[in-house]
Amino acid sequence: AQKITQTQPGMFVQEKEAVTLDCTYDTSDPSYGLFWYKQPSSGEMIFLIYQGSYDQQNATEGRYSLNFQKARKSANLVISASQLGDSAMYFCAMRETVKAIYNQGGKLIFGQGTELSVKP
Amino acid sequence: NAGVTQTPKFQVLKTGQSMTLQCAQDMNHEYMSWYRQDPGMGLRLIHYSVGAGITDQGEVPNGYNVSRSTTEDFPLRLLSAAPSQTSVYFCASSPNIGLSQDTQYFGPGTRLTVL
Repeated sequence: AQKITQTQPGMFVQEKEAVTLDCTYDTSDPSYGLFWYKQPSSGEMIFLIYQGSYDQQNATEGRYSLNFQKARKSANLVISASQLGDSAMYFCAMRETVKAIYNQGGKLIFGQGTELSVKP
Repeated sequence: NAGVTQTPKFQVLKTGQSMTLQCAQDMNHEYMSWYRQDPGMGLRLIHYSVGAGITDQGEVPNGYNVSRSTTEDFPLRLLSAAPSQTSVYFCASSPNIGLSQDTQYFGPGTRLTVL
């Protein structure tokens, strides 16, 4: 069964520094997608970045990059040049590809989240 | 294009009452899902649907019912509310039928309190 683990309940980072949020996953499916979402204190879920299991290069989106190590089953989020507005909960999620039988795959499963606090 | 909308934003129920949380999307997405978020537990999948007329259970389906009569709407029903159902509920949708590369878009959430 698919599983996502985020082992850092809370993290602190100084403004303008880089920070890495850890995520490990478990799946037996060779085709899957990995996602990171941000949840600020206002509560909405904001999509940040996506990495496919067959992608050869690490995904990047502005200040966000994903350090994808397939053999180690890790998909860490790196935020460069942290800003005060980056303070939020961050969730790692995984989606296996949907199978011919609809009740297998396709579900997006989340880790427990990491609360990031950026200090001025 | 409103994306994913949820109503109500806040709700207080008494134990045993029933209610329906509404969710609608205007992106013609096939895949829709409901999550609950509790402190320290991330988002847990309640039910999901891969298209009109097709629904299935997620990780925590007990106490909740769903139906999908149209592509746009995916209501979540609490038949007899319990204090353990106090949570924030998110509806989400994604294109296709849940391919691994499909980004999921979330509604703003409904904060439910059961007394």
